[in-house]
Amino acid sequence: AQSVAQPEDQVNVAEGNPLTVKCTYSVSGNPYLFWYVQYPNRGLQFLLKYITGDNLVKGSYGFEAEFNKSQTSFHLKKPSALVSDSALYFCAVRDIGGNDYKLSFGAGTTVTVRA
Amino acid sequence: ETGVTQSPTHLIKTRGQQVTLRCSSQSGHNTVSWYQQALGQGPQFIFQYYREEENGRGNFPPRFSGLQFPNYSSELNVNALELDDSALYLCASSLAGRNANTGELFFGEGSRLTVL
Repeated sequence: AQSVAQPEDQVNVAEGNPLTVKCTYSVSGNPYLFWYVQYPNRGLQFLLKYITGDNLVKGSYGFEAEFNKSQTSFHLKKPSALVSDSALYFCAVRDIGGNDYKLSFGAGTTVTVRA
Repeated sequence: ETGVTQSPTHLIKTRGQQVTLRCSSQSGHNTVSWYQQALGQGPQFIFQYYREEENGRGNFPPRFSGLQFPNYSSELNVNALELDDSALYLCASSLAGRNANTGELFFGEGSRLTVL
């Protein structure tokens, strides 16, 4: 079984401040980890992924995420948030040993960046 | 844009009716997955199609069914609609097989279904 937890329903930051969105995961084997962003009434847009290699992954729009195997976490970060980063963020996991591409998503974290 | 297109974008049905949602996958992708996203929740996996066969299914009843066509496009059919079926239905495409990428899914904009 695989699952994701996003412990914060909402994150509020001021523009220019660092942004962190938390994610922890559970898989039976090794994980593929993903972050997606969703704007109102839109589909999901891919931000970044961890497959293997460096624990710090860089993605689109200045976002990065750090994989921590011992803490089973994959927190999303951005050094300086923009108002346009306000959206709904989803963490997702897939078990590498799985036979399909099923992703298990967290419940999402709403990010609000105030000017 | 991902190149994944879905239709219709919005539709309204009544309880007991049937609905068909359509998806065209991104060029070069041979696998299509469907997800249901209820209001305020994360997407939930319905099923996946590869080479025109279902090869993975989530916790959804049999009245949720699908098809994949030789051109890799796909349909999601839901029979005997219930109020709780109201949601955004997302289609995602990917590439499976020997030259597979690392499992990244490319999502369409979704079809928003309202059941009255």
